[in-house]
Amino acid sequence: AQSVTQLGSHVSVSEGALVLLRCNYSSSVPPYLFWYVQYPNQGLQLLLKYTTGATLVKGINGFEAEFKKSETSFHLTKPSAHMSDAAEYFCAVSWYSSASKIIFGSGTRLSIRP
Amino acid sequence: EAQVTQNPRYLITVTGKKLTVTCSQNMNHEYMSWYRQDPGLGLRQIYYSMNVEVTDKGDVPEGYKVSRKEKRNFPLILESPSPNQTSLYFCASSPEETQYFGPGTRLLVL
Repeated sequence: AQSVTQLGSHVSVSEGALVLLRCNYSSSVPPYLFWYVQYPNQGLQLLLKYTTGATLVKGINGFEAEFKKSETSFHLTKPSAHMSDAAEYFCAVSWYSSASKIIFGSGTRLSIRP
Repeated sequence: EAQVTQNPRYLITVTGKKLTVTCSQNMNHEYMSWYRQDPGLGLRQIYYSMNVEVTDKGDVPEGYKVSRKEKRNFPLILESPSPNQTSLYFCASSPEETQYFGPGTRLLVL
């Protein structure tokens, strides 16, 4: 069965430190990959996505992610954490060009220590 | 302003009392979906629609119904709610692979 795994339900980093949120998926076919962010009491918004082309994808707020087909991974990084980055982050994968079938990971809550 | 709206935002009801959560988008998107979000489980797709009068089950469709009579609207119907349907519900619309989410509806079934 197709699945998305996010390692670590809660990650805590210091302000200014590197942020690394991990995501692995199960598939033998290159999928479409997404990271969404959810701020408290809000809906999800797209942070970045990979569809085709360059495997290093840049998103909003200084985040980026790299698609590694051989590792079936799409980890999210940010060089320097800011207090405003505190939120829940969801990795999602689609095996179709439409949005008809998307599978989300269980989410990682990111906390930032002053 | 381009947006997805959901109503109501908060709802407390009792077991067995039919309810409808409305979802509307003003972006002329073809695809719309409903998800439920539960702690530790992420978002799970309930139903999706590829266009007017075209709907299909997601991963957790039991106990839910949907309809798509107009392109902009995609209501979620719980005909006989049960406590295990207490959750946070999100509607989303999309033109292709990127989804645009509504603000969510928090449902409590007693």
